[in-house]
This record gives sequence, C-alpha cells and structure tokens, in this order.
Amino acid sequence: EVQLVESGGGLVQPGGSLRLSCAASGFTFSSYEMNWVRQAPGKGLEWVSYISSSGSTIYYADSVKGRFTISRDNAKNSLYLQMNSLRAEDTAVYYCARSDSGYDYWGQGTLVTVSS
Amino acid sequence: QSALTQPASVSGSPGQSITISCTGTSSDVGSYNLVSWYQQHPGKAPKLMIYEGSKRPSGVSNRFSGSKSGNTASLTISGLQAEDEADYYCCSYAGSSTLFGTGTKVTVL
Repeated sequence: EVQLVESGGGLVQPGGSLRLSCAASGFTFSSYEMNWVRQAPGKGLEWVSYISSSGSTIYYADSVKGRFTISRDNAKNSLYLQMNSLRAEDTAVYYCARSDSGYDYWGQGTLVTVSS
Repeated sequence: QSALTQPASVSGSPGQSITISCTGTSSDVGSYNLVSWYQQHPGKAPKLMIYEGSKRPSGVSNRFSGSKSGNTASLTISGLQAEDEADYYCCSYAGSSTLFGTGTKVTVL
C-alpha cells in the first residue's frame, strides 16, 4: 500500500525557518517524481515545488522561489522541504504528492502556521 | 503564474449531470494534454479523479469524465450522488510549473 506521511509542521514566527519531511513507503520511491502542494486555511490548492526522480530537475512556484528548497534522499525514501524567511501568507497545510500522470497519491498533510 | 478559472459553485439534484469548467490559457491548458481533476472532501487530502484530460484512475467511477476544447477543460459528473458533494480542482502542466484551478464547490440538492 502506497503511503506518504508528512511531518515537521508547527508554529513559527515570521522570518523563521522550518523543515518538512515526507516519508514514503509501499512503492519504489526512487522511480517517481515528487511534489509539495499547499492549501491555506479555507482556500484552494497551490502547487509549491517539484523534484524529478533523481533530484536533478527542480522547479518552484514564484511565490516561494529563493526561500524554499526541495530535496530528496532516495536511500531513505524521503522528501524534504526547507522553508526559510517564512511569511504569514505561507500559513497552510502542506501536502507531499507523488507524480504519475497526475498527483496520484497524497499524504495527509502537515500544518504550518506563521505567526508572531 | 495565475490560477486557472473555475466557477465557485455548481449544484444539481441526485441523478442529474453537472459540468465544471476550467479555463486557462494557450500556455497551459491549451498547450498540453495534461489536465487533471481532484476531488476533496472537508478535512481530507485531494483525490485524483481524471488525468491526462480524460483518463480515469483505477477505482474511480465512470460517472466522472473529462474533456478539453481549446484553453478550457471540463469535468462532467453524471448520475449525481450525495457522496459527490465536495470541492473539485482542475490542474494543468504549464512548462516548468503546475497550475491549480480556483476550485468549485459541488452541492447535491
């Protein structure tokens, strides 16, 4: 059974940093592209970042470019999102999602709250 | 990177058919056959319902169908059921990024 489990969310002050993790199981992690997608409270979905199966290709949404860094460790079946210079508008549930002709599997999400 | 445009809400009675539109541009929806649709119930993660414009993942009811014309993609739900009440989002590849739609709340009357 495919499982994606996010962790690392929490309350952080504006300007602070947080590192999210996504632990994958039930499939060959190293063969799949992965993404982070977020959803602000009561709002719609927003794609955040993409990483290829090998990690050699990475894309970011303009809203996070220069502040967030996506990475993966295929040996540990894990996906990461390092978030720096956090702003109030980054407050959201962050989901990791597998890419395979669409985002076919999603985690349950981890809540990040940026507030003083 | 602007969101794709969807109607805020669509409603229908049980058994009826409804269609949700998703309007993009020639740089996203119009350029790629890579539109997907997601269903999201409150407090839950999104679920893939349609990929590559019109294909259904295994396990998704054939009451859900997708199509595209020009810069606009559409999701049709036929034989509307109470369990279909949820938020729906379209999504399109856009080169080095991905765009989601603004979301549509489907209400079963």
